[in-house]
Amino acid sequence: AQKVTQAQTEISVVEKEDVTLDCVYETRDTTYYLFWYKQPPSGELVFLIRRNSFDEQNEISGRYSWNFQKSTSSFNFTITASQVVDSAVYFCALSGSGAGSYQLTFGKGTKLSVIP
Amino acid sequence: EAQVTQNPRYLITVTGKKLTVTCSQNMNHEYMSWYRQDPGLGLRQIYYSMNVEVTDKGDVPEGYKVSRKEKRNFPLILESPSPNQTSLYFCASKGLSTQGQRGIYEQYFGPGTRLTVT
Repeated sequence: AQKVTQAQTEISVVEKEDVTLDCVYETRDTTYYLFWYKQPPSGELVFLIRRNSFDEQNEISGRYSWNFQKSTSSFNFTITASQVVDSAVYFCALSGSGAGSYQLTFGKGTKLSVIP
Repeated sequence: EAQVTQNPRYLITVTGKKLTVTCSQNMNHEYMSWYRQDPGLGLRQIYYSMNVEVTDKGDVPEGYKVSRKEKRNFPLILESPSPNQTSLYFCASKGLSTQGQRGIYEQYFGPGTRLTVT
């Protein structure tokens, strides 16, 4: 069975601070995919990144960066110099390969509040 | 524009009154699914469909029905809604990436339907 744990339920930071959102996963698949989604107050799900299990390179996109470590089964997300517009709920998700690729298993989400 | 649409976006109804939430995608995807989102629980899969006339239960199927008569549509049916089905519902479809990444499957989410059952 697959499982995604986001231990941080809520985080508050002051604008311009850096913040890291943690994600730990469990899977028996050797090939799998990890995702991060953002859900702003308006409610839609915004895709941020997908990473496959064979690619452990960290990725940076503007103020966002992701640290994937298979050894610790973690896929953490860092926002540098946070802004008020970053306030949202962030979900980490996991899908397997083959038949398992048809289901996304989500973590419970981390609510980030950026205070001006 | 590739998209997944859901209707209605907001619905308030009463216990026991049958309702249908429609979902449609224009990407010719074979795979579609429904999720519900509840505070503190994240998103959980209700039902999924791997193709026309092929549906299967997800993690929380009780109280829901689905049908897949056409590839583009995947309605979610609540025959007798109850207050514990008050939730935010997302439809999703999955298919090969349209952004030049060979062999990569992308999952596209609809905008969500906020359902309140009183």
